[in-house]
Parts: sequence; structure tokens; C-alpha cells
Amino acid sequence: NFMLTQPHSVSESPGKTVTISCTRSSGSIASNYVQWYQQRPGSSPTTVIYEDNQRPSGVPDRFSGSIDSSSNSASLTISGLKTEDEADYYCQSYDSSIYWVFGGGTKLTVL
Amino acid sequence: EVQLLESGGGLVQPGGSLRLSCAASGFTFSSYAMSWVRQAPGKGLEWVSAISGSGGSTYYADSVKGRFTISRDNSKNTLYLQMNSLRAEDTAVYYCAKAAPGVGYCSGGSCYSGGFDYWGQGTLVTVSS
Repeated sequence: NFMLTQPHSVSESPGKTVTISCTRSSGSIASNYVQWYQQRPGSSPTTVIYEDNQRPSGVPDRFSGSIDSSSNSASLTISGLKTEDEADYYCQSYDSSIYWVFGGGTKLTVL
Repeated sequence: EVQLLESGGGLVQPGGSLRLSCAASGFTFSSYAMSWVRQAPGKGLEWVSAISGSGGSTYYADSVKGRFTISRDNSKNTLYLQMNSLRAEDTAVYYCAKAAPGVGYCSGGSCYSGGFDYWGQGTLVTVSS
């Protein structure tokens, strides 16, 4: 079994770039794809990255995903921050033994 | 346009039961696995249960195993979650979510990314006396 650990919160100014990490506790981060979801207050989650680094249609290319085997973590990077990016972000992965796992979520503040 | 519409939430006493429904439209329902994901007030997302497209395979989080039952009626394009022996810690917004197609893993003749591409608006379940 494994857990996904995210920072509780991050903040950055409009126009800047922010990176949110998601660290896998055991097993390789590369073993299973990572997804990232954005959840604005009062709304359902929406996918911003799937399969580590793929963007759904309609998601701006300011959003990018990557994995780093050396730190056993996935990252979501948002460049050119806009106030509308302020939301909670969750990483998620699937494993055949424990099924679907979410990170604890990161609150992004754009100030 | 894919739509997922949950219903059935409400206030229930500890030890009580509730059945949630999720009406799906805009895609071939029987071709996709579906999941229930919940979110306690002010907390993060927690996967609860999943079911294969045919309904032949079901999966549960340890926190609900033995108390919750997931099912689907492909003739009605509807997903269900029967919740029994409810506890205060089951209080949450319950979302139904469609499994996203991809190359992460294959099951029941379909292949998925391991994530979810569409979510409903959620239905609130409150367990309190």
C-alpha cells in the first residue's frame, strides 16, 4: 500500500509559476499514472492532468505535469498564474491492490 | 454531453441506511467502469467504491467494506450505492465519477487511465442523531 502526500497549501502572485508536489510513500511513482484534479469552492473536481503529463482538451497549456523518480514524486506546474487558478488541487493514482488513492489536497492561493 | 446526476442524499440517523443513485447520459454507460468518491466537510477526496462496466466486478475501500454495496442498471443508465450501518464519519458529499479511458490498466475488455474524466455535482449525506 502507498500514500500520496501533498503540501497543505501554496501561494504565489499572479503571472508567476507555482509547482505542487505529490510524493508517493512506497513503490515507484512511475509504476502507476498520476492524475491531477482542480476543485474550485463549491464545485466538483475537474481533471487538469491525466496519465502523468497529458492535458485534457480545454485545459490551458499553462498547466503541465511531470514525474521525478529521484524524489519519487509527481508535480503539477501552473505558469502565468491567474486569479481563476485559485482552487484545491488533488493528485491521484491507481494501483491494482489498493485501487484509487488521492493525495490530501493542496490549497492554491493566488494573491 | 456527458452528464452525471446524483440523488438520494439526506439526513439519516447513525445505524441507518440510504441509497444513492447516479443517472448517466451522453455516453455508452455500459462500456465504462464507474466509481463513488466522497468528500467530508472541509476535507479531501476519498475513493469509496467502483464497479466494472458489466457490473460483474466490484471494489470497495476498507472504510466501507461490508457496509456499502455498489451496483448498476445498464438498462437504466444508472449507478447506485446502497449504504447501510451508517456512521457519523460517513457524512460527506458523495460524487459519482466516470472512469477515464486510457492506457493505465485494462479490465473487463476496457482500458483506463486510472483516473476519472467526468464527475457529478454530488449529493450530501449527513449522518447525525
